[in-house]
Amino acid sequence: QVQLVQSGAEVKRPGASVKVSCKASGYTFASYAIHWVRQAPGQSLEWMGWIIPGNGDTKYSQKFQGRVTITRDTSASTAHLDLSSLRSEDTAVYYCARSYSTSSEFDYWGQGSLVTVSS
Amino acid sequence: EIVLTQSPGTLSLSPGERATLSCRASQSVSSSYLAWYQQKPGQAPRLLIYGASSRATGVPDRFSGSGSGTDFTLTISRLEPEDFAVYYCQQYGSSPPLTFGGGTKVEIK
Repeated sequence: QVQLVQSGAEVKRPGASVKVSCKASGYTFASYAIHWVRQAPGQSLEWMGWIIPGNGDTKYSQKFQGRVTITRDTSASTAHLDLSSLRSEDTAVYYCARSYSTSSEFDYWGQGSLVTVSS
Repeated sequence: EIVLTQSPGTLSLSPGERATLSCRASQSVSSSYLAWYQQKPGQAPRLLIYGASSRATGVPDRFSGSGSGTDFTLTISRLEPEDFAVYYCQQYGSSPPLTFGGGTKVEIK
């Protein structure tokens, strides 16, 4: 069965960086895009960017350009989200999600990783 | 960027009643690339509807989606206890960013 399993919760200081991982199983990792979406407490969902694991192509929301990097390790079927220069407003649950193409619905989601930014 | 506005913000209904949720886009959503997700507290979103009107695998037929262009609707024909949750619409057909609506909470009256 398809699963996306994310890394655990993180607590970071303002100005630091965080790396969140998403390990895929149950399907061919290279054949589906992986998106990162975040949700601040009590708020809606916010798309951050995607990666095509097959070729490493990425696209980021302009809001996060310069602070976000999405990478993948095809040998480990894992995608990573790096977010730098953290501020308190980055406190959120970060989700990875799968789609058949970059213009497809998100059919499977990871369980979420809470990132707390606090001094 | 396409802005999605969902209404109402909260819908208070009883089990067995019909729920009608609206999602309005600031510009036309190409090829009906519009999805609906359900989210329960502490859980990840779950895909319900894609392509504006196609049910995802395993989704009960009491859930239906309709609409095109800028106006979309999610209907739950008869609310079951497990349907009380927050619902989000999403457009995924335009150039990035992909965007989500602000959500509609369906709560027990």
